[in-house]
Amino acid sequence: QVHLVQSGAEVKKPGSSVKVSCKGSGGTVSRYTFSWVRQAPGQGLEWMGGIIPFFATTNYAQKFEGRLTISTDDSTTTAYMELRSLRLDDTAVYYCAREGGPYGSPQWFDPWGQGTLVTVSS
Amino acid sequence: QSVLTQPPSVSAATGQKVTISCSGSSSNIGKNSVAWYQQVPGTAPKLLIYDNSNRASGVPDRFSASKSRTSATLAITGLQTGDEAEYHCGTWDTSLSAVVFGGGTKLTVL
Repeated sequence: QVHLVQSGAEVKKPGSSVKVSCKGSGGTVSRYTFSWVRQAPGQGLEWMGGIIPFFATTNYAQKFEGRLTISTDDSTTTAYMELRSLRLDDTAVYYCAREGGPYGSPQWFDPWGQGTLVTVSS
Repeated sequence: QSVLTQPPSVSAATGQKVTISCSGSSSNIGKNSVAWYQQVPGTAPKLLIYDNSNRASGVPDRFSASKSRTSATLAITGLQTGDEAEYHCGTWDTSLSAVVFGGGTKLTVL
């Protein structure tokens, strides 16, 4: 049974970058596919992108193309999400989640990490 | 603005039944499986339903869901105060090549 534990809260300046980690236990991350989903304060869920570690392929939502990188490190069973050129409206809780459904077109997520609050403030 | 449309809030009394709708289009719900998530404030979403109507492990049978063409519905019977939470629907959108979610529905148990 995979269990996902994320890194702690971050406070960043506009224009900087943040890298959030998501460590999986209960199996190597290369066996699974992962997505990152964020939730701004008082808002709904927003999918950012996903990764298929076995094929080393990523799929990003168009909105984040060019400033988002999702990666994994199988040696440490950890997935990462790096978001660059941060803006004030990137303030949100960021979740990692294991994907379910066809490779490359996830249709559900289970389990989820506990979430990481990223606050962007000048 | 969310791609999938959910009512912002619903309410019902303890022990009663409530339904939550999720409306989409031919490129998302019409082509792909729908999932439902329960999110208690301050915690991560938890998978309730996958593949339109399959309950996730440990989810009581008071929770059920269905899909018809471009809409999906989550039903909760025998409401309990512990069911108070935000409920989200989600699926893959073939045209957008992205996962899409509804805006979430806050359930209040009276």
